[in-house]
Amino acid sequence: KQEVTQIPAALSVPEGENLVLNCSFTDSAIYNLQWFRQDPGKGLTSLLLIQSSQREQTSGRLNASLDKSSGRSTLYIAASQPGDSATYLCAVEDNAGNMLTFGGGTRLMVKP
Amino acid sequence: DAGITQSPRHKVTETGTPVTLRCHQTENHRYMYWYRQDPGHGLRLIHYSYGVKDTDKGEVSDGYSVSRSKTEDFLLTLESATSSQTSVYFCAISGSSGGAETQYFGPGTRLLVL
Repeated sequence: KQEVTQIPAALSVPEGENLVLNCSFTDSAIYNLQWFRQDPGKGLTSLLLIQSSQREQTSGRLNASLDKSSGRSTLYIAASQPGDSATYLCAVEDNAGNMLTFGGGTRLMVKP
Repeated sequence: DAGITQSPRHKVTETGTPVTLRCHQTENHRYMYWYRQDPGHGLRLIHYSYGVKDTDKGEVSDGYSVSRSKTEDFLLTLESATSSQTSVYFCAISGSSGGAETQYFGPGTRLLVL
């Protein structure tokens, strides 16, 4: 059974800092790994999707990497802003293609 | 934003009563999913659908049933609600599975079972 772990569970940083969120998974037989953002009381918003054949994806100040063989992904946020404060979730889609398994999330607070 | 709505957005019910949550999409996407989100457990898949009248179980399907009679609607029914089903329920949609496309999530339904 796939298990996804995110470290740290919570993170507080001053504005402008570059930061890294970590995600690990136990079964490397995946189709893709996805990063989502969730604001309090809201649904999830997709940030980046890395297919299993890819190593990284970038969108603006966000860069996500994938090392499938070691079961790890990182989400790099450059020049953090207070508006980046949210919970960040990673999820892997298994090779059956029908199920996302989520990590527990990292709750990020960026202080002005 | 993907056109996904969930109803109701909030519901309080009593143990033993049936409850139906509705997910409606305007994107004509083939795949629809129901998740629950709980502290300490993250999001877990309850059931999903890969077409009209085609559904399958997810990780935590006990006590839940689903139906999809139209492409746009996916219903989640708690046959006899229990306090352990107090949770936030999210619907998601996707045009495809198997690698290239993400899932788009609805705003969620907060359910309290007393």
